[in-house]
Amino acid sequence: GENVEQHPSTLSVQEGDSAVIKCTYSDSASNYFPWYKQELGKRPQLIIDIRSNVGEKKDQRIAVTLNKTAKHFSLHITETQPEDSAVYFCAATLTGGGNKLTFGTGTQLKVEL
Amino acid sequence: DTGVSQDPRHKITKRGQNVTFRCDPISEHNRLYWYRQTLGQGPEFLTYFQNEAQLEKSRLLSDRFSAERPKGSFSTLEIQRTEQGDSAMYLCASSGGGGSASSYNEQFFGPGTRLTVL
Repeated sequence: GENVEQHPSTLSVQEGDSAVIKCTYSDSASNYFPWYKQELGKRPQLIIDIRSNVGEKKDQRIAVTLNKTAKHFSLHITETQPEDSAVYFCAATLTGGGNKLTFGTGTQLKVEL
Repeated sequence: DTGVSQDPRHKITKRGQNVTFRCDPISEHNRLYWYRQTLGQGPEFLTYFQNEAQLEKSRLLSDRFSAERPKGSFSTLEIQRTEQGDSAMYLCASSGGGGSASSYNEQFFGPGTRLTVL
């Protein structure tokens, strides 16, 4: 089955700096890669996703890049703000079947003033 | 809130007791997923339904766990003879119903039921 590794486990940045979180996946057949943000005590919320036919996707301050050959994908947050502080999870799946998500172990992002 | 809802939000039980959780998906979604999340980990897939049919179960789902979605709307997850290792956040998610294959991709999560087994 799919295995997703995520790094770093914790990340501390100054407000206004950029943050990058990296994930690798094992199953080359996986073709959909969402990112979720989970604030303390709250539900995971989808913030951005990317499909394998696209190398990069951007939504305001958030971008995701995908390298299918290396089986890497990354989340980039620019101009970080205190409200970006949360745990971020990457995930991978093969669509067309059950679409069950395999998640990484999460990155605790802290944006300091 | 028209998103996914779960009940109860918190459940404390003694080892050996049975517990049941409920999930109400987004109304037009025909896929419903259960995941389990322990502290410091990402959610782990347990099972999913397409309408009322349970199509896949993880090996994590022991015989003590059973899930149903009798009318293709809400779902229940029951754990029999709870063990301390069952303590976790149980998350429900839903997707689909948008008329295209891609509508199944985005899974929307509920707030979870936090189970504590004493």
